[in-house]
Amino acid sequence: GNSVTQMEGPVTLSEEAFLTINCTYTATGYPSLFWYVQYPGEGLQLLLKATKADDKGSNKGFEATYRKETTSFHLEKGSVQVSDSAVYFCALRGGADGLTFGKGTHLIIQP
Amino acid sequence: DAGVIQSPRHEVTEMGQEVTLRCKLISGHNSLFWYRQTMMRGLELLIYFNNNVPIDDSGMPEDRFSAKMPNASFSTLKIQPSEPRDSAVYFCASSLSYLDGYTFGSGTRLTVV
Repeated sequence: GNSVTQMEGPVTLSEEAFLTINCTYTATGYPSLFWYVQYPGEGLQLLLKATKADDKGSNKGFEATYRKETTSFHLEKGSVQVSDSAVYFCALRGGADGLTFGKGTHLIIQP
Repeated sequence: DAGVIQSPRHEVTEMGQEVTLRCKLISGHNSLFWYRQTMMRGLELLIYFNNNVPIDDSGMPEDRFSAKMPNASFSTLKIQPSEPRDSAVYFCASSLSYLDGYTFGSGTRLTVV
């Protein structure tokens, strides 16, 4: 079946540092890949997505590239801000099934 | 578009009571998902519907949990009787197609005392 593995947290960085949150997946066929962000006390919000190999999703300075050869979809940002502190979820969706989520990575940005 | 709307935002109830959580989908979306989130278990898919029909309810923890979708825009999740271990944040989400992600509601924080 489908599965998503993302790095354990919490990840603590200083403001303006470079961010990478690793995500790898196992799936049959050609799933769509997503990153969601959850701020404290809120629901999950779609951050970016990619629907086919080599696609790059981007939003709010975050980027992730769909790498089929390494079954990865790592999230990156060049310079993080305190306001980026949140929980980030990697997810995949194959066919008509629902989203399969990773366990989430808690990101803490210190001023 | 008002997004996915859940009510109530917070619910505190006594053990044994019936609890009903409500969700209004985005107009035109044809898939509806109910999730439960806790610190211990993270996000768990409880049940999902396509075109008002329940497709997979294998995540529903017990017979105490039931979900309905009486029309294309509305769903309820009922817990009867409720227990303290049901305390969690319950999210619903809707989707237009399998190429799209979900749009989540703001969640209902349920506390059973």
